[in-house]
Amino acid sequence: SQQGEEDPQALSIQEGENATMNCSYKTSINNLQWYRQNSGRGLVHLILIRSNEREKHSGRLRVTLDTSKKSSSLLITASRAADTASYFCATALYNNNDMRFGAGTRLTVKP
Amino acid sequence: DTAVSQTPKYLVTQMGNDKSIKCEQNLGHDTMYWYKQDSKKFLKIMFSYNNKELIINETVPNRFSPKSPDKAHLNLHINSLELGDSAVYFCASSQGGTNQPQHFGDGTRLSIL
Repeated sequence: SQQGEEDPQALSIQEGENATMNCSYKTSINNLQWYRQNSGRGLVHLILIRSNEREKHSGRLRVTLDTSKKSSSLLITASRAADTASYFCATALYNNNDMRFGAGTRLTVKP
Repeated sequence: DTAVSQTPKYLVTQMGNDKSIKCEQNLGHDTMYWYKQDSKKFLKIMFSYNNKELIINETVPNRFSPKSPDKAHLNLHINSLELGDSAVYFCASSQGGTNQPQHFGDGTRLSIL
């Protein structure tokens, strides 16, 4: 069954604006990961945040995790047309063997 | 160098046929996975292999069987293909299971006629 659910399903913004995507999940997790998928390509790992962490940064990306609300957010600052892609959150359970993906947010950044 | 490579990229075949998809990773990872992505972009884990042992099998029909000849390869065999098997299949690998990031191949688009 699906674990993560991304919100919104689709997001369209202008270049230079910030994009925020949210992810909610249902069960306790070991870590949560965000991935990007360009059309016709495989998923590319962006950030991994562990259950005892609250915030992580990587370049223009900022991820937060609220385990009490079972939610995470991905913020992309100063977006670029090249950021156009689908973004997925994935939750890793404590058994170390299972990864559950949401349906993704389709981000379009207009030049 | 391609880290996770899978072949073929496209596979068009008829119902009832048997087909295989190959996956190789050159990252030295100890865990490999197969995922199925449907037309709505839902990504569902099918198999996970760690050191040549199957760890999970996510309610996948037994027509699907993973085969790992060595730590760097995890092939997917599908028997008696059905229309519902049409999807994009992704291979991935990681070091130390899902505690670490996964590296994905570019997918195999399987179309059943």
